[in-house]
Amino acid sequence: AQSVAQPEDQVNVAEGNPLTVKCTYSVSGNPYLFWYVQYPNRGLQFLLKYITGDNLVKGSYGFEAEFNKSQTSFHLKKPSALVSDSALYFCAVRDFEYGGSQGNLIFGKGTKLSVKP
Amino acid sequence: GAVVSQHPSRVICKSGTSVKIECRSLDFQATTMFWYRQFPKKSLMLMATSNEGSKATYEQGVEKDKFLINHASLTLSTLTVTSAHPEDSSFYICSARGDERQPQHFGDGTRLSIL
Repeated sequence: AQSVAQPEDQVNVAEGNPLTVKCTYSVSGNPYLFWYVQYPNRGLQFLLKYITGDNLVKGSYGFEAEFNKSQTSFHLKKPSALVSDSALYFCAVRDFEYGGSQGNLIFGKGTKLSVKP
Repeated sequence: GAVVSQHPSRVICKSGTSVKIECRSLDFQATTMFWYRQFPKKSLMLMATSNEGSKATYEQGVEKDKFLINHASLTLSTLTVTSAHPEDSSFYICSARGDERQPQHFGDGTRLSIL
């Protein structure tokens, strides 16, 4: 079965420092991987995706993620954190085994990012 | 970017009321729509998946007679919580996408509070 793990419940970073939010995945075939951000009382906003191609994916708001097949990881990174980046971050993998072509997203449990001034 | 509009954003009503939540894709055709429920400080729980013009596929443990889903067009899906009770209070989020290689785009959620 497909699964996603976000090992950290919370990540604390000082403004201006680099940030990393970790994600590992387990799939049977080729993964489609996504990162989303959720602000309080809001839905999820798409940040970036990896389908195929370059392992380093650049997304919205200066975020990027690196697909590492050997480590089955897709960590989210940003070179310089902003206080406004504080939010809940979800990693997700698309599941094509379950439900056939419907391809439901399997979400990690989420990581709360806190950026202090 | 792709926009998904969800309405209403907040509902407060009495126990026994039925509540309808609408989800619209504003600038793309949503082949597939998803309904999620999110508990406080928890990840999203998929409730059901629907394709335009066909019956929704419900996840295990989700009552199809309780949570009625209609996906009548490529831009609109509705979730009706029938005879809502306090335990149905939650944050409901819809999502939509075009073809399988595209990301899912999410509505802003509906905070449902049943008194």
